[in-house]
Amino acid sequence: AQSVTQPDIHITVSEGASLELRCNYSYGATPYLFWYVQSPGQGLQLLLKYFSGDTLVQGIKGFEAEFKRSQSSFNLRKPSVHWSDAAEYFCAVGRTGNQFYFGTGTSLTVIP
Amino acid sequence: GAVVSQHPSRVICKSGTSVKIECRSLDFQATTMFWYRQFPKQSLMLMATSNEGSKATYEQGVEKDKFLINHASLTLSTLTVTSAHPEDSSFYICSAYGQGTDTQYFGPGTRLTVL
Repeated sequence: AQSVTQPDIHITVSEGASLELRCNYSYGATPYLFWYVQSPGQGLQLLLKYFSGDTLVQGIKGFEAEFKRSQSSFNLRKPSVHWSDAAEYFCAVGRTGNQFYFGTGTSLTVIP
Repeated sequence: GAVVSQHPSRVICKSGTSVKIECRSLDFQATTMFWYRQFPKQSLMLMATSNEGSKATYEQGVEKDKFLINHASLTLSTLTVTSAHPEDSSFYICSAYGQGTDTQYFGPGTRLTVL
């Protein structure tokens, strides 16, 4: 069965600190993996995606994620968090033309 | 590119009335669109897959007679919440695959409040 797990419901970091958001997935085929960010009352914005090739992918706003097949993980990282990064982050898995499966989201709070 | 819009962004209606939400792909053609519902502090729940020119495919537990989906063109899908009740109050988001891509692009969402 397809599923995505984001173990951390809420994370608080200090501005300037590093960040890692965890994502584990279960998918029958080779997955396409995505990270989206959602600000309050807004839709989802694509941060980055992995289809194949280099397992370390770079995204917008200084985010990166690493695909680890052996661990079925696709963790999101950022070396230095900015206050504007406070938002809800969703990991998703899917294949072309088919539905996406979303994790339950991780809420990020950034303290000055 | 790959911009998806939704209209309206917010709507308040009385119980028993119907509300239509539009989802448009602005700069590409979308043969498939998806409708999601999101409750506060929760993830997105897929309601249905909307295919241009054919009937929508609804997820288990979603009432097709209550949530009418029409995908009449390659750039427009509509979700009509019929005989809305307070429990239908939610944030509704649509998405579409960017033409020739493997990525879903999301609309900004519609906040529905049923009084």
